[in-house]
Amino acid sequence: GAVVSQHPSRVICKSGTSVKIECRSLDFQATTMFWYRQFPKQSLMLMATSNEGSKATYEQGVEKDKFLINHASLTLSTLTVTSAHPEDSSFYICSARGGPSEQYFGPGTRLTVT
Amino acid sequence: AQSVTQLDSQVPVFEEAPVELRCNYSSSVSVYLFWYVQYPNQGLQLLLKYLSGSTLVESINGFEAEFNKSQTSFHLRKPSVHISDTAEYFCAVSSPNDYKLSFGAGTTVTVRA
Repeated sequence: GAVVSQHPSRVICKSGTSVKIECRSLDFQATTMFWYRQFPKQSLMLMATSNEGSKATYEQGVEKDKFLINHASLTLSTLTVTSAHPEDSSFYICSARGGPSEQYFGPGTRLTVT
Repeated sequence: AQSVTQLDSQVPVFEEAPVELRCNYSSSVSVYLFWYVQYPNQGLQLLLKYLSGSTLVESINGFEAEFNKSQTSFHLRKPSVHISDTAEYFCAVSSPNDYKLSFGAGTTVTVRA
């Protein structure tokens, strides 16, 4: 149980285009999901907290107009990188809160912007 | 606010040797502590966690960590490593009232035969 999927696993896009990444909790409902960004050989940095039915809460320094988050249902949150640039290339990981102290992580999405 | 310091960025170790990964945290409130493992190009998997109770926690694959409040540490140990333990290990902290995780910089463990 407690499986979180992400789609796509890898995506390459041209500079200036937008990319949508999906995060799904497959066998449980998650009112809260988190989006992280990970640069090579570095730790995970929390970008935003996604709450079902309400606006996402962004961490300081994260542009909310660039990284659009939608948590439309109890099993799906999406992250859209708008007008992507090469510096947005990164590994994006989502997690879903499954209990008082549990976060279950997705396998990640490798975004490359050319 | 909480923060985590992982003192070792890389730890090379021979197969069947013991390993210890150090983790120190800072927090003004009570904490939950976690160790996650990340294999190449994969997401994170929970290795073990401390919420309350016994300060020594164990995982199913032989890892253990001990919460030391006075030293604000949560070091991870394994008495005998395998090649398959080669991975990135992250220590993380959260508070009972705020479920956001703060991660350390990670420790790369490379197990050699």
